[in-house]
Amino acid sequence: KQEVTQIPAALSVPEGENLVLNCSFTDSAIYNLQWFRQDPGKGLTSLLLIQSSQREQTSGRLNASLDKSSGRSTLYIAASQPGDSATYLCAVRPGGGSNYKLTFGKGTLLTVNP
Amino acid sequence: SAVISQKPSRDICQRGTSLTIQCQVDSQVTMMFWYRQQPGQSLTLIATANQGSEATYESGFVIDKFPISRPNLTFSTLTVSNMSPEDSSIYLCSASSTRGRMNTEAFFGQGTRLTVV
Repeated sequence: KQEVTQIPAALSVPEGENLVLNCSFTDSAIYNLQWFRQDPGKGLTSLLLIQSSQREQTSGRLNASLDKSSGRSTLYIAASQPGDSATYLCAVRPGGGSNYKLTFGKGTLLTVNP
Repeated sequence: SAVISQKPSRDICQRGTSLTIQCQVDSQVTMMFWYRQQPGQSLTLIATANQGSEATYESGFVIDKFPISRPNLTFSTLTVSNMSPEDSSIYLCSASSTRGRMNTEAFFGQGTRLTVV
């Protein structure tokens, strides 16, 4: 059974700092990995999707990497801003083509202080 | 990408009653899912909504408690039946499409925050 772990559970940084969020998964047979952002009491916003054949994806100040063989992904946020404060979730989709169910980590609660 | 509209955004309900949550996607999608997020927890999949047939439920979730409809490729509903305070959660609709072998990105609605009193 796939398990997804996110470390740290919470992180507080001053504005402007670069930071890294970590995600690990136990079964490396994944189809893709997706990073989401969730604001309190709200739904999920997709940030980056990395296919199993890719090593990284970038969008603006965000960069996500994937090391499938070691079961790890990182989300790098450059020059953090107070508006980045949210919970960040990673989720993996299993390989095999026909299974679209995501397994989520518990998330990292990020606070960026002005 | 897909835009998912979910309503209501929040509700406070009396125990023993039922609430139906609607999910509308702005484009035809292959897969639709319903998730639950209990306070302080991550997301748990309730079921896969299948077009024109019965939903596929995950372990621990049953149709009598969480009936789901999906009459077409862009719309689904989830009903939380005979509610108790333990059903207080955020319920989230998700959609995903297949385009060849790539791009099975998942999109989510804004969620329905349910409080049962």
